[in-house]
This record gives sequence, structure tokens and C-alpha cells, in this order.
Amino acid sequence: NAGVTQTPKFQVLKTGQSMTLQCAQDMNHEYMSWYRQDPGMGLRLIHYSVGAGITDQGEVPNGYNVSRSTTEDFPLRLLSAAPSQTSVYFCASSPGPSTGELFFGEGSRLTVL
Amino acid sequence: SQQGEEDPQALSIQEGENATMNCSYKTSINNLQWYRQNSGRGLVHLILIRSNEREKHSGRLRVTLDTSKKSSSLLITASRAADTASYFCATDPNDYKLSFGAGTTVTVRA
Repeated sequence: NAGVTQTPKFQVLKTGQSMTLQCAQDMNHEYMSWYRQDPGMGLRLIHYSVGAGITDQGEVPNGYNVSRSTTEDFPLRLLSAAPSQTSVYFCASSPGPSTGELFFGEGSRLTVL
Repeated sequence: SQQGEEDPQALSIQEGENATMNCSYKTSINNLQWYRQNSGRGLVHLILIRSNEREKHSGRLRVTLDTSKKSSSLLITASRAADTASYFCATDPNDYKLSFGAGTTVTVRA
């Protein structure tokens, strides 16, 4: 059972480039989310999804797009990368909000030059 | 903005000692959770305590919740080197938006 898988683990971009961080889970969880983690800031919610075809914004959505075409996949797109988006990104999933517990991927470390 | 804040920011203890960290939050919650993060890894769920519970145990972990003070504490008893990690509390003012604090970094010295 792989759980939550994120790719790539490391990525370096130049300002203005675009890229997609991939997230897949094999637990048939309805709820998926993306967080970014910056030193001293904890984790901040970027976007989340409560099921296929349904997404919503979190605390820091600007500069990021998401879609949820299947239950398994929840990619995060950076349309025009900025140095302020240098961070570690975590994808997480849960059976549902009432269950509470989030299952996290191992993270994707992004550097924007 | 962050809903929960952990205290202290960092904690260094000797192996075998107990470690206590606190979490304060701002608005009413359905539940409060604690997570552990080892260096360079993802977060791992430790324990969830619901708003109508006051104390919960899981192995060497003890969590308390005081909703009147909007605070929670995590106690790790008989610490081990493997407990060296960052610990985060997370609250859910909204069912779908779990909010994390900045974490407490715990170092267990051999």
C-alpha cells in the first residue's frame, strides 16, 4: 500500500516557468489537499478537494491551480513561478472531514531562482 | 492565519525524560490533532482528541484538551532518541480546512 505519492521530490525552476506537482493516493480517499511549509510558518493550506470535480481555495491559493478529475489524483500547477513560491509542498488525503486524520506524502522541495 | 500556536518553539531533553509541549488556538473547534514530522519527511498523525474529550492516551503519548482555555498539551513520556522530531498541533475551525501551528522542535539527547 503506497499511500500518498508525490512527484517530483526535488525541482528547480526559473522565475516565470510553469510546472505541475503530482499527487496520487491509493486509499480511495475523498478528501485531498495541498500545503506548503516554510521555516517558522508551519503548514499553510493552498487548495483542497472534497471529491472528484470539486475543489476550493485554502489560505494561500494565489499563484496555484488545482483540478480533481479522478479520486486518486490531485495535481498542483504553478502557472508562472516566483521566488516566493520556493517552499516544501505536501499533499495529504483523508477519508473525509469527520474522520480527521490526514495522510501525508513525503513532500516536494521546490526552488525558484 | 494560523489557528494554532505551539509552545515552546524548541525543546531539548535527556533520553528517558518527559517532554511536554502546548498548543493554543483561537476559535472553537471540532477536534484537535497532533502530528510528528521527522527531518525531511512528511507529517505523521499521532492522535486526535475531540472537543468533548478532555484527555486521551496512545502508548507513551498523553494529550489533554481544555476548550475553555482553548489549549491542548502533548506529553511524551520516557523519551527516546527516535522521538527527536517536530511536533505540530492542528485544528479544524472549518471541517475542510485543517490549520497547523508552526511546531515544536524536540531534541532528545542520548
